[in-house]
Order: sequence, then structure tokens, then C-alpha cells
Amino acid sequence: AQKVTQAQTEISVVEKEDVTLDCVYETRDTTYYLFWYKQPPSGELVFLIRRNSFDEQNEISGRYSWNFQKSTSSFNFTITASQVVDSAVYFCALVSDYKLSFGAGTTVTVRA
Amino acid sequence: DAGVTQSPTHLIKTRGQQVTLRCSPKSGHDTVSWYQQALGQGPQFIFQYYEEEERQRGNFPDRFSGHQFPNYSSELNVNALLLGDSALYLCASSVSGTNTGELFFGEGSRLTVL
Repeated sequence: AQKVTQAQTEISVVEKEDVTLDCVYETRDTTYYLFWYKQPPSGELVFLIRRNSFDEQNEISGRYSWNFQKSTSSFNFTITASQVVDSAVYFCALVSDYKLSFGAGTTVTVRA
Repeated sequence: DAGVTQSPTHLIKTRGQQVTLRCSPKSGHDTVSWYQQALGQGPQFIFQYYEEEERQRGNFPDRFSGHQFPNYSSELNVNALLLGDSALYLCASSVSGTNTGELFFGEGSRLTVL
């Protein structure tokens, strides 16, 4: 069985602050993929980043960065210099054997 | 290039009724997955269709069934609706499975069961 846990339910920040979202996962598979998705009020889930289980290199893509640590089964996501348009629900997800399992989501509110 | 489209966007049904939701995948995609997202929760995997067959299924009762057509579009059917079936139903498309590729989601069909 696989499970994704996002302990933070809500985060509120002021514009230009950094936001870090925590994600912890469980899986028995040795090959898996981790994702972060964003869900704005419109409802459509938008793909942000993907990482496979064999690549622990952390990267930065624009204002997004992530920290993947297999030893602690964590896949944290950071938004640098947040903007009001970043306000949304963010989901961490794990895919294995064709099934994508989502965490419960973290609501991020960025205040002007 | 049209993304994933779903219809209807909103609908209201009463308990015991049946509902059909429709999804057209992104151009070039051959795999469709369906998710149920209750208010305040993450999406839950219902099932996935590839080559017109159900390839994987989550923990949903048989009241939830689906179909994929030769043009890769898909339908989700829910029979004997319960109040607890009220949710946002999301369709996602991908190319030959989701193990390696990201999913492209539609905006969903919001079902309210009264």
C-alpha cells in the first residue's frame, strides 16, 4: 500500500515570503515517481514537478525548488518569493503501478 | 491544442439516480484516469482505462463503472447514487500509463447528490 501525508493543512504568508510545503510518503516499491500538483480555485490540477526514486538531486525551476530525501521519505517543495497568484491548494502525489495517490493537500494563501 | 475536457461541469442528482460523466483526453493521449475529490480532500483514484479496458482500479464499489471508446474518450457511470458520492470528479489523461509521465487534468465535474 502507498500513502502520502501532508501534515500542513493551511499556510498563510505575506507576498515575497518563501513557502515550504512538507510531504512524507510510504511505499514498498523501489521504483516510483513523486509529483507536486497545484489546484487553483478553478479546480483543474496543474502539474508542477516530478521526481523519480532514483534521482535524489534537488533542483530549482524558476521560483520552485524541491528537496527529495529518500532516507526520510520526504519530498518537500518550496516557493521562493511568493506571489498572490500562488494562492492555491498544493498536492503531493506518488505514482506506482499506474495509480497516483495524493496527499490531503495544503492550502496556501499569499496576502498582498 | 485542446486540453482535457469534461462534461457536464456541474450537475445535481437525487439519491438512487444514475449519472454519466464524460471526458475527452488531451490530443495524443491514450490513457484516461478518473478521480473523486471530496470537499477538502485530495483526489482518490477510481480507475484507469487504456486500450478500452480497465487497467487499474481503486477502492470503489461496483456502482462505479466506466468505459473507454476507440477515440480514447471515456465515461464514468455511477449507479444508485448516495449522498456521499457528492464530489468533484476529475478526469486525467496521459500517454500509456502514469508511471513515468505527468497527468493532465480537466477542470472536473461537480456532482451534488440531494
